[in-house]
Amino acid sequence: GESVGLHLPTLSVQEGDNSIINCAYSNSASDYFIWYKQESGKGPQFIIDIRSNMDKRQGQRVTVLLNKTVKHLSLQIAATQPGDSAVYFCAENAGGTSYGKLTFGQGTILTVHP
Amino acid sequence: EAGVTQFPSHSVIEKGQTVTLRCDPISGHDNLYWYRRVMGKEIKFLLHFVKESKQDESGMPNNRFLAERTGGTYSTLKVQPAELEDSGVYFCASSQGTAYGYTFGSGTRLTVV
Repeated sequence: GESVGLHLPTLSVQEGDNSIINCAYSNSASDYFIWYKQESGKGPQFIIDIRSNMDKRQGQRVTVLLNKTVKHLSLQIAATQPGDSAVYFCAENAGGTSYGKLTFGQGTILTVHP
Repeated sequence: EAGVTQFPSHSVIEKGQTVTLRCDPISGHDNLYWYRRVMGKEIKFLLHFVKESKQDESGMPNNRFLAERTGGTYSTLKVQPAELEDSGVYFCASSQGTAYGYTFGSGTRLTVV
């Protein structure tokens, strides 16, 4: 599978704990944000998204929070499971003429210990 | 529904050679995207097709990279001649609408030696 690089932020949690993964974005014009999960040997998999007119959105076991004032995005995973172990990426889209282009963050390695 | 398919899954070539990567998007998806992740760095956008037209190719690193999508179906990304810094994982994604609802393929790991 793909190696994830030696300098990614890491988060280790125990099974059943809640996890919070953070992301700082740079473009104040971005109006759409997505969290992706990438497991070894696979492509990024969509988890949850949020538009800039919202500050919170919930899915199944996941919640995304958006703070536009400080350009910060977070992903909360409730009752983390070993299957949640992966690299998590935030991505932003500024719309306009670049509506198809996502800008990814560097990624965070989440390791869940049974 | 079949997902986004990329092949080969792995390719090892020598510096100076040519490599062609292929992506088959989800059927009916007009939007097709290429991204790559060089080791240790973030996933970066290369270009975006809408059907057979290049909507945005602002991420293409240089003229050694050529992407095509003849007929608006599958796409190819050719690297000629390959350099060592081209090593990484090349992802393709497709979507029916705009940037929303991307589906990524599993990627092609390219190693240039």
